[in-house]
Amino acid sequence: EDQVTQSPEALRLQEGESSSLNCSYTVSGLRGLFWYRQDPGKGPEFLFTLYSAGEEKEKERLKATLTKKESFLHITAPKPEDSATYLCALGGTGANNLFFGTGTRLTVIP
Amino acid sequence: DTEVTQTPKHLVMGMTNKKSLKCEQHMGHRAMYWYKQKAKKPPELMFVYSYEKLSINESVPSRFSPECPNSSLLNLHLHALQPEDSALYLCASSQDTKNIQYFGAGTRLSVL
Repeated sequence: EDQVTQSPEALRLQEGESSSLNCSYTVSGLRGLFWYRQDPGKGPEFLFTLYSAGEEKEKERLKATLTKKESFLHITAPKPEDSATYLCALGGTGANNLFFGTGTRLTVIP
Repeated sequence: DTEVTQTPKHLVMGMTNKKSLKCEQHMGHRAMYWYKQKAKKPPELMFVYSYEKLSINESVPSRFSPECPNSSLLNLHLHALQPEDSALYLCASSQDTKNIQYFGAGTRLSVL
């Protein structure tokens, strides 16, 4: 059975304090590992897709990495505007290609 | 452009009302989705349309009725809802069911 677990559930950082969010997964036939950002009351915003172990992608202060068992979202020198819930999702083999984790709520304090 | 437009942004309805949520995209995507999201929980899939045909119904109660009139539009018809149906309803679209999903801003539904 496909599973995805995100940790920590919540994270508070001082502005400029770098950290990482974890997404651990088990899946038969990975068709991508997706990262989304969601602001309160808004829809998820696509950030990255990773398809194979060793792959890395970057966007501004965010860098996503992938191994065979987990993905990390590294946040370098975060700013208050990076505060949001970060969701990872598995791409499976069925017609529904997204299976979401429970998310990490990030708060960056000025 | 990766815009998915949902209307209305907010909706308050009584348990005997009939209302509809609307979703529109003009990216030429052939897969469209409805999700339900409760506070502090991840989105839960409700329905998937692929090439205007319903391909997944995740055991959703019949008081929710989806409709895909054409490849750009997706509706969710609501009837006789319960207070526990209050949630953020999200629409998404993708090129096909194997590609990146892009989400709308959602409709915040309150059932009184």
